[in-house]
Amino acid sequence: QVQLVQSGAEVKKPGSSVKVSCKASGGTFSSYAISWVRQAPGQGLEWMGGIIPIFGTANYAQKFQGRVTITADESTSTAYMELSSLRSEDTAVYYCARAGWTAVAGTHYYYYMDVWGKGTTVTVSS
Amino acid sequence: QSALTQPASVSGSPGQSITISCTGTSSDVGGYNYVSWYQQHPGKAPKLMIYEVSNRPSGVSNRFSGSKSGNTASLTISGLQAEDEADYYCSSYTSSSTLKVFGTGTKVTVL
Repeated sequence: QVQLVQSGAEVKKPGSSVKVSCKASGGTFSSYAISWVRQAPGQGLEWMGGIIPIFGTANYAQKFQGRVTITADESTSTAYMELSSLRSEDTAVYYCARAGWTAVAGTHYYYYMDVWGKGTTVTVSS
Repeated sequence: QSALTQPASVSGSPGQSITISCTGTSSDVGGYNYVSWYQQHPGKAPKLMIYEVSNRPSGVSNRFSGSKSGNTASLTISGLQAEDEADYYCSSYTSSSTLKVFGTGTKVTVL
């Protein structure tokens, strides 16, 4: 059974960048997608973007366009999420999740996340 | 793109059935059969309970069921158990540039 192992907690200064990794243990990404979801303290879930490693291109929520980069290395079964120009509002737990996917239109996909990492806490503070 | 609307809280006694609603628009819930439901216990990662409106992943109890009518999706939990006490989030594909939108979340309390 595949597990997703995320990198450790990070403390960052405003304006800097953070890169979180997510490694599949006990399996590979295979034909699944990897999605990234964040949750600010006491708040709900927010989808940031996703990537289908066999295709290599990522989709991003408009809110994060230009600030987030999601990549995947199939050879090491590791995905990465890099968020730049950090501000205090980016303080959150960041989850990666394996996702089943369906092509909806063009490069738009429906993702449903069936295996989740434990989350990485990112704190942005001066 | 606004979040999908869910009731803030729903409660029920053990053994009862409860239903959580998730209201969107024709650009998301109403336009596609691409609704998922997630359960989240405090301090834990979410867990997929339902995908594509009514499909249950392997290992999820058949006490959980999903449906949709118009712009509103619903999650029903039958035979409510203490372990069902958690936060529940719906999610849908959206044709807007957000691509995927979550609901506001519902806290389920077992009385």
